[in-house]
Amino acid sequence: DGGITQSPKYLFRKEGQNVTLSCEQNLNHDAMYWYRQDPGQGLRLIYYSQIVNDFQKGDIAEGYSVSREKKESFPLTVTSAQKNPTAFYLCASSKENSNQPQHFGDGTRLSIL
Amino acid sequence: QKEVEQNSGPLSVPEGAIASLNCTYSDRGSQSFFWYRQYSGKSPELIMSIYSNGDKEDGRFTAQLNKASQYVSLLIRDSQPSDSATYLCAVMAPGTYKYIFGTGTRLKVLA
Repeated sequence: DGGITQSPKYLFRKEGQNVTLSCEQNLNHDAMYWYRQDPGQGLRLIYYSQIVNDFQKGDIAEGYSVSREKKESFPLTVTSAQKNPTAFYLCASSKENSNQPQHFGDGTRLSIL
Repeated sequence: QKEVEQNSGPLSVPEGAIASLNCTYSDRGSQSFFWYRQYSGKSPELIMSIYSNGDKEDGRFTAQLNKASQYVSLLIRDSQPSDSATYLCAVMAPGTYKYIFGTGTRLKVLA
C-alpha cells in the first residue's frame, strides 16, 4: 500500500543532542512537508520541499534542518539550538499540482529526557 | 500573515444531530480548501476537498464554500460518537505549495 512512513513513533532527546526524524513516502509525490503540533494547537510549518535538492523554510524553521536527496525521503533534524523541541512532528506530502490535498504520516512524538 | 480561523470549541451535539463546523480565511485569492479529521494523539486524515463555490457531498459529510464571504464549512449529518475529534480546516496559499491550517474545532458527539 502507498503511504507515508515516519519513524520512530516516539523519540527522546537529551540536552545538547541532535536527533533526526525519518519520513519516507512511496506515493510518488513531489512535495514534502514537516509540521510541528503542540498540545491543543494547530499545525505549524517547519520546512517544505517541492523538488529534490531544494527546500524552503516555513514559519518556525529555527533550530531545525532538513535534506531532500531523494524524492522519497525528507528527514528532519532537530538540533540542540531548538530549546523547546517537545511536540508532535508530522510529515506530509502532496502531488505537484497545487490543488491536491496533503497526506500525512502517523507522526513522531519527541520528548526531552 | 495569511490566516485561517476556526472556533476552537468544544462543539457538543447529540448523537444523530447535524454538526456544523465553520472556517474563515483571509486570502481572497485562495482556490483550494480541505477538511481534515484528527483523533487525539493521531495524525490528520483527509475528509474532503472543495474548490468551487457551493456544496459538495460525500456520504454524511457536506462541505460548503462561499468565496465571496471567505468561509468554508463542514456539515456532518447523523453525527455519531465516533465523529468526536478535532476538525482542521486547511487552505492552499495561492501561488505556493504552502497549506495554511486553522487551529481546529473540537467536536464532541454525545451518546
